[in-house]
Amino acid sequence: EAAVTQSPRSKVAVTGGKVTLSCHQTNNHDYMYWYRQDTGHGLRLIHYSYVADSTEKGDIPDGYKASRPSQENFSLILELASLSQTAVYFCASSGLGGSYEQYFGPGTRLTVL
Amino acid sequence: GQQVQQSPASLVLQEGENAELQCNFSSTATRLQWFYQHPGGRLVSLFYNPSGTKHTGRLTSTTVTNERRSSLHISSSQTTDSGTYFCAIDRSSGSWQLIFGSGTQLTVMP
Repeated sequence: EAAVTQSPRSKVAVTGGKVTLSCHQTNNHDYMYWYRQDTGHGLRLIHYSYVADSTEKGDIPDGYKASRPSQENFSLILELASLSQTAVYFCASSGLGGSYEQYFGPGTRLTVL
Repeated sequence: GQQVQQSPASLVLQEGENAELQCNFSSTATRLQWFYQHPGGRLVSLFYNPSGTKHTGRLTSTTVTNERRSSLHISSSQTTDSGTYFCAIDRSSGSWQLIFGSGTQLTVMP
């Protein structure tokens, strides 16, 4: 199974502060994704990328930026964290050899105070 | 756009009972994936199954593409099956983006 790691695993941030969530995959996947999950709900796509140095907007991109400096790394950036961005954030990857199956990281629990 | 509906929203079983989880979607799906979310939060892929039937252990996934539905059958449930099950469909035919349903929360009592 694909290996996707995330850091940090949890974070407490202050309103208005900058937050960077990092994701790393070691399986040569082309596609990487950032999702957010609110308590008791499914996942919603924030940003995704299919090649290094390029990112695309998902369903809920407002308030978030993404960066894909290499095939293995994908970051999610909250320039001005807000209370409403308290959630669990998941990174995923897919796309080796035509496989569409997405593999997820362990998640990052972000609390904005 | 694509919409995904899962039912039931929650389900409580006695250990040993079977479960049938449903996923219905509004438009043709070419990519469909079932996930299990541990109570602690970890998401695990169960099946990639855009059509037909797949088995693994006590789990069976059946997708009928032209009827826009998929099911996940759990036989002889165990307490360790407790958690939330999600299905996810491609946003539009051939898209790499997945749209998630709201999940079915399963509780298996000993």
